[in-house]
Amino acid sequence: AQSVSQHNHHVILSEAASLELGCNYSYGGTVNLFWYVQYPGQHLQLLLKYFSGDPLVKGIKGFEAEFIKSKFSFNLRKPSVQWSDTAEYFCAVKAGSGTYKYIFGTGTRLKVLA
Amino acid sequence: DAGITQSPRHKVTETGTPVTLRCHQTENHRYMYWYRQDPGHGLRLIHYSYGVKDTDKGEVSDGYSVSRSKTEDFLLTLESATSSQTSVYFCAISESGGGQETQYFGPGTRLLVL
Repeated sequence: AQSVSQHNHHVILSEAASLELGCNYSYGGTVNLFWYVQYPGQHLQLLLKYFSGDPLVKGIKGFEAEFIKSKFSFNLRKPSVQWSDTAEYFCAVKAGSGTYKYIFGTGTRLKVLA
Repeated sequence: DAGITQSPRHKVTETGTPVTLRCHQTENHRYMYWYRQDPGHGLRLIHYSYGVKDTDKGEVSDGYSVSRSKTEDFLLTLESATSSQTSVYFCAISESGGGQETQYFGPGTRLLVL
């Protein structure tokens, strides 16, 4: 069965620190990849997405992610976090074009200290 | 904003009572989804729909049923609510076409089953 792993469940950083959140998936075929952010008490909002082409994807709010096919990874990065980035981050995968199911990781809670 | 509303936004009910949650979209998207979000589990798919009267089960469908009689509405019913169904429920739509389908989420419904 397809799965998505987010190994960091909780991350605490100081403002201006760099961020990298890991995401690994298990599926050997073509994938569509997504990162969502959920601010406290709110719904999930799309940060960025990858379908094909340049494996380095830029999203909103200064976030980017890199798709490394050989590692089945799609890690999220931000060079300098802000207090307002405190949120929960979810990686999601849609496996190929023959399905409309999306598989989500369990999320990473990020706390940024001012 | 993908034009998704959910009602009610908050509900408290008692074990054994039926509960129906409504998801409404304004943009005629074909695919609609119901997820539940629980700490440590991320988002888990309950049911999804790929058209009017066309639905399929997700990974945690036991105890839930759905109906879609109109494109814009997707209903989730808990036939006899249990305390294990206390959760936050999110509806999502998927834009379709072109191989770049992306999910967008509604604001969520907090359900407490006593």
